[in-house]
Formats: sequence, C-alpha cells, structure tokens
Amino acid sequence: KAGVTQTPRYLIKTRGQQVTLSCSPISGHRSVSWYQQTPGQGLQFLFEYFSETQRNKGNFPGRFSGRQFSNSRSEMNVSTLELGDSALYLCASSLGQPPNYGYTFGSGTRLTVV
Amino acid sequence: AQKITQTQPGMFVQEKEAVTLDCTYDTSDPSYGLFWYKQPSSGEMIFLIYQGSYDQQNATEGRYSLNFQKARKSANLVISASQLGDSAMYFCAMRENSYSGAGSYQLTFGKGTKLSVIP
Repeated sequence: KAGVTQTPRYLIKTRGQQVTLSCSPISGHRSVSWYQQTPGQGLQFLFEYFSETQRNKGNFPGRFSGRQFSNSRSEMNVSTLELGDSALYLCASSLGQPPNYGYTFGSGTRLTVV
Repeated sequence: AQKITQTQPGMFVQEKEAVTLDCTYDTSDPSYGLFWYKQPSSGEMIFLIYQGSYDQQNATEGRYSLNFQKARKSANLVISASQLGDSAMYFCAMRENSYSGAGSYQLTFGKGTKLSVIP
C-alpha cells in the first residue's frame, strides 16, 4: 500500500511570507500528526488531527496552524515566516486509536526561510 | 524534565558486529509505548521496533531487538550483524497512553544517536 506522501519535498520562502505543506496519510489512517525537526531543538510535536478535528497541539505560536480534510489529508500552514522556522517538517499517519498504534512517517518537507 | 534521554550522540561499529544504542525514559503513566526510528540522511523516519509497557517479552524485528528493563526505565536498541546501510540517526521515542491535557498522545523523541558503520 502507498506510504505517507508529503509535498513539496523542498521549499524556499522569504521572511514574512506564508507557506502551506501537505500530507496524505496511508489509506484508512484517520490520524495525522505534524512534527518540526531542527538541529537545535530536535523533534518537536506541532499538532495532531483525527477525523478532521485537532485533537492535540504542541507548544508553538499561533502562526502555526493546520487542518484535516474528510479524506484524512492534512495541511499545515505557517504564516509570517521567520528565519527560525527553517526546519524539516514531518508528518506521521496512524490509525489513531489507542493503546497500540504505530506511526508511519513521510519523507518530510524541508523548509528554508531566507 | 526530559522524558527521553539518549546519551550517545555518536557511535561507531564495525560491519557485522552488534551494537547497542541506549535510551532511558521518564514517565509516571503506567501505560506507554516505546518506539525506535531510523532516519537516514534523506530525512524519512523509518519505524524499527515497538515495545508496550505491559508487554512481557522484549520486542524483536529481524536484526533489531529491544532490551526493555522496565524497573530501570530503559529501552535499549540492539542491532545485530551491522550493515553499511545501518549508518543513520536513530531516535528513541515514547508515547504516554493516558490523557493529560494538551499534547497528549504525542510522540516525545530523544535527541538521537548517529550510528556510523565502518567497513
């Protein structure tokens, strides 16, 4: 079966712009989580969507937002980009039902803010 | 407080040898899951192995095994017969299964260990 697809793979944006990243989960998976990975902070949880609802949110400013569509595809948006937003953004798909459910990650979108 | 600690920033191992990557965790939740992921330079996080807190036996997946010592709160990854393709970053992660407000059910990652396999 197809894996988790993230688009685009690479992105270069200018400070102050906004960006939208996309994640298509594995068919049948209802949960999509987003993580930011930077050399300094490591992997940090952004938010999780389950059945079109944001179920959890990490400690990020309101410039970071997301949504999930009825087909479980998810988008995350970052407005008013800052240099510090340069990172690898990873999404993870899962069935979303505890207690034992695994996560499958996409290849990530590497965002560079200049 | 740091929930996942990986004390080895980098490690070298000879091809065909076994290697152990350390991971300790901290949680008061009796129900949790522990994961190991491999991240090659391409960036994708590849799932390796999972251990649930109530699992009686250590998890194994091919050349990967997890040495789970619950009382010590450690979940070390053992890679047997290392291959050149094993060179990558390795991350230990935990998910607490009890709801505790915002941020629940997220994966919390360690800082990772960079493994280099030497021919």
